[in-house]
Amino acid sequence: EAGVTQFPSHSVIEKGQTVTLRCDPISGHDNLYWYRRVMGKEIKFLLHFVKESKQDESGMPNNRFLAERTGGTYSTLKVQPAELEDSGVYFCASSQVGGSEQFFGPGTRLTVL
Amino acid sequence: DQQVKQNSPSLSVQEGRISILNCDYTNSMFDYFLWYKKYPAEGPTFLISISSIKDKNEDGRFTVFLNKSAKHLSLHIVPSQPGDSAVYFCAATASGGSYIPTFGRGTSLIVHP
Repeated sequence: EAGVTQFPSHSVIEKGQTVTLRCDPISGHDNLYWYRRVMGKEIKFLLHFVKESKQDESGMPNNRFLAERTGGTYSTLKVQPAELEDSGVYFCASSQVGGSEQFFGPGTRLTVL
Repeated sequence: DQQVKQNSPSLSVQEGRISILNCDYTNSMFDYFLWYKKYPAEGPTFLISISSIKDKNEDGRFTVFLNKSAKHLSLHIVPSQPGDSAVYFCAATASGGSYIPTFGRGTSLIVHP
């Protein structure tokens, strides 16, 4: 069974540009989560989807971040316009309905110059 | 304000010896605790967990101890192996929530052959 996949693995952009990150959860997992880790710091929750609905987006930093999960399958996280402080590793995770164990993807390392 | 603290950014241990990774928390509502292991360029993977109704949980070479009065938990790895070299994240959740863990900053464990 394929795990959680994320694309791209790395992205280097300039301040002010737009970047879209993609996450494909494990097939059949209704729960999908986005997290971010700034270098050396804790992994911070961004938001949680149940199928296509946003269950909790309390961790989204500001309105430059937009997450979608159309059709309840893969999800995208768009940052527009990107700022220097958006640099970090963005992790996606998925879990089954009612499941407590989250399975993480390898992350996308975003560098904003 | 960090609710889950891992005060040792790194730990170096000789192969065969015991590794002890520590974690402190401040939120009294946390009642379920997890340890994740992360290799470079990979996402965190679940390692072991403990509920607040227990003070110890063991799984092979890994044992987690919980001291609720001190709001402290520790992960013991015995015996340590070079393949255990990774970043270990402590995380905590509160029951009745959405299984979204609050993470610490991680401790980088290096096990020397």
